[in-house]
Amino acid sequence: DTGVSQDPRHKITKRGQNVTFRCDPISEHNRLYWYRQTLGQGPEFLTYFQNEAQLEKSRLLSDRFSAERPKGSFSTLEIQRTEQGDSAMYLCASMGGTSGNSQETQYFGPGTRLLVL
Amino acid sequence: AQSVTQPDIHITVSEGASLELRCNYSYGATPYLFWYVQSPGQGLQLLLKYFSGDTLVQGIKGFEAEFKRSQSSFNLRKPSVHWSDAAEYFCAVGSVGGYSTLTFGKGTMLLVSP
Repeated sequence: DTGVSQDPRHKITKRGQNVTFRCDPISEHNRLYWYRQTLGQGPEFLTYFQNEAQLEKSRLLSDRFSAERPKGSFSTLEIQRTEQGDSAMYLCASMGGTSGNSQETQYFGPGTRLLVL
Repeated sequence: AQSVTQPDIHITVSEGASLELRCNYSYGATPYLFWYVQSPGQGLQLLLKYFSGDTLVQGIKGFEAEFKRSQSSFNLRKPSVHWSDAAEYFCAVGSVGGYSTLTFGKGTMLLVSP
């Protein structure tokens, strides 16, 4: 399977705990996106990487959230001191090409569903 | 700021009947437009996309969409719905240039009745 993969698929945690999610993009894609999808809503953009550089962050990404892509391949999204409002599906997408070339397609992974109790 | 409106939260269609899902967008220039489908608990699968050129675009699974600049719309259509089409459908607009982030509508849940 050469698609985008995410791990874990499901995560249940208690409020106040830290969680980390992983995304493995399509191997030749240098652009990577994180989105959050809450119940009844469409996905909302969180952050964007080109290679290892984090180039854009949404204001939705509070200081409890941090994302990395250390070698320009896989990415991690960490949420510290989770709150019940963090319960959502976290989606990763990857895309080929370079910034400024928008005529590309984002390919999405299956998502990580987080439930904060 | 760009935005997408999908006015129908739920739509029920009989199997074999035609389908049209509405999408209106707000964007300062000619947008890049996408339709994605999401099955329960799954990620998003691209159905079709519009970048430029012919305003009627064909996608996978027999779907098509028409870009109408005058109406700021990009409605999704299918002539004959199958039970397997039951899912949630998202329209999205992509930023032209820059980082190509997507702005999604809230989605339309399609229910297919026998």
